[in-house]
Amino acid sequence: AQKVTQAQTEISVVEKEDVTLDCVYETRDTTYYLFWYKQPPSGELVFLIRRNSFDEQNEISGRYSWNFQKSTSSFNFTITASQVVDSAVYFCALSDRDSNSGYALNFGKGTSLLVTP
Amino acid sequence: ETGVTQTPRHLVMGMTNKKSLKCEQHLGHNAMYWYKQSAKKPLELMFVYNFKEQTENNSVPSRFSPECPNSSHLFLHLHTLQPEDSALYLCASSSQGPEGQYFGPGTRLTVT
Repeated sequence: AQKVTQAQTEISVVEKEDVTLDCVYETRDTTYYLFWYKQPPSGELVFLIRRNSFDEQNEISGRYSWNFQKSTSSFNFTITASQVVDSAVYFCALSDRDSNSGYALNFGKGTSLLVTP
Repeated sequence: ETGVTQTPRHLVMGMTNKKSLKCEQHLGHNAMYWYKQSAKKPLELMFVYNFKEQTENNSVPSRFSPECPNSSHLFLHLHTLQPEDSALYLCASSSQGPEGQYFGPGTRLTVT
């Protein structure tokens, strides 16, 4: 069963618009970790944020914010006032103890974000 | 040195060639990973090493052979690959805790 679902395959916005990337996860563990990564055209996956299952506080970092809701098993990512440099593929990932190998990550399929001028 | 490096960045090889991908991490981590990213497919975990021991092999064909001589270096030896093996191969490392994985820039492999 897929553990992380990113239902939005592609999103296109105009610069300065706000955009929210959805992530829904599935786990039977009470202790787990959620992540967002950014993959620009260069290919490298850039770590953005980690959140553990006991911390439901929303987080803001500059134009980025994350909304973690255990009740709906969601960990959504919002970019405020988007910029062209935000164009990338964004991956949500889950790490839980169902994994056989420590904290290996289960990735969603990614959401490709295109920000046009 | 940046955190996780991979060489080469691009590789074109024939189906009968033998080549190796190299990954090196400078973060003091104990776990290293190989992922495959094909076009329009999710990231696929291939291999995991913890303290140089392989702890996971996700049903990867034997034409891919990993090697981890120490906690800082990870290799992926390739032989008799198929065109469908063309993909971006990403290496990552992490500590034993849940801090998350740090990725290298990847090797773009094309099998002709």
